[in-house]
Amino acid sequence: DIQMTQSPSSLSASVGDRVTITCRASQSISNYLNWYQQKPGKAPNLLIYAASSLQSGVPSRFSGSGSGTDFTLSISSLQPEDFATYYCQQSYITPRTFGQGTKVEIK
Amino acid sequence: EVQLVESGGGLVQPGGSLRLSCGASGFTFSNYAMSWVRQAPGKGLEWVSVISASGVTNYADSVRGRFTISRDSSENTLYLQMNSLRAEDTAVYYCARASGSGMGSGYYKTNWGQGTLVTVSS
Repeated sequence: DIQMTQSPSSLSASVGDRVTITCRASQSISNYLNWYQQKPGKAPNLLIYAASSLQSGVPSRFSGSGSGTDFTLSISSLQPEDFATYYCQQSYITPRTFGQGTKVEIK
Repeated sequence: EVQLVESGGGLVQPGGSLRLSCGASGFTFSNYAMSWVRQAPGKGLEWVSVISASGVTNYADSVRGRFTISRDSSENTLYLQMNSLRAEDTAVYYCARASGSGMGSGYYKTNWGQGTLVTVSS
């Protein structure tokens, strides 16, 4: 199975900050990497697919980059509604493994 | 509007069985692969199973041989039959629609249901 490792596991940031979350795959997955946002008690929501494509309806302050084994999710200016947990997931092969999540908290 | 509504969760004893359902609307159900993803209390997301539009299936090692995914396109419903349940199967189970019909590289989960809680305990 492909292992997905996110860093950091949690971070504290202020409204307006730029935030970057990293996801590393245990082997090359090309650009088959997706990012999801999950708020407490809610289902995950797709933000980014194919490493850098913004899902329809997602604010442009979210962006993704990377290929091979190293990927990043960036939020250019953190908004109050962005405090949540973020997960990466590889869609290269099954099982479609997720990272362990990164919790973004208010500083 | 795409809607996915899970049902069938509840409390079950270890070794017991449960069948989850996911009713789909707002899209042509037969054209899309569908998945189950679970989340244990306070933990991260775990992929469980997928079924392609044509009915090909795949499972996580942790559930293979105990869980069976299926679909009924006449009823626009996805199912997860769960047998020989263990305490570690306790989780919220989400169904999700894929971005396409297959299970090959590149498909991602575009829509998710609200989840149904399965608790395995004596």
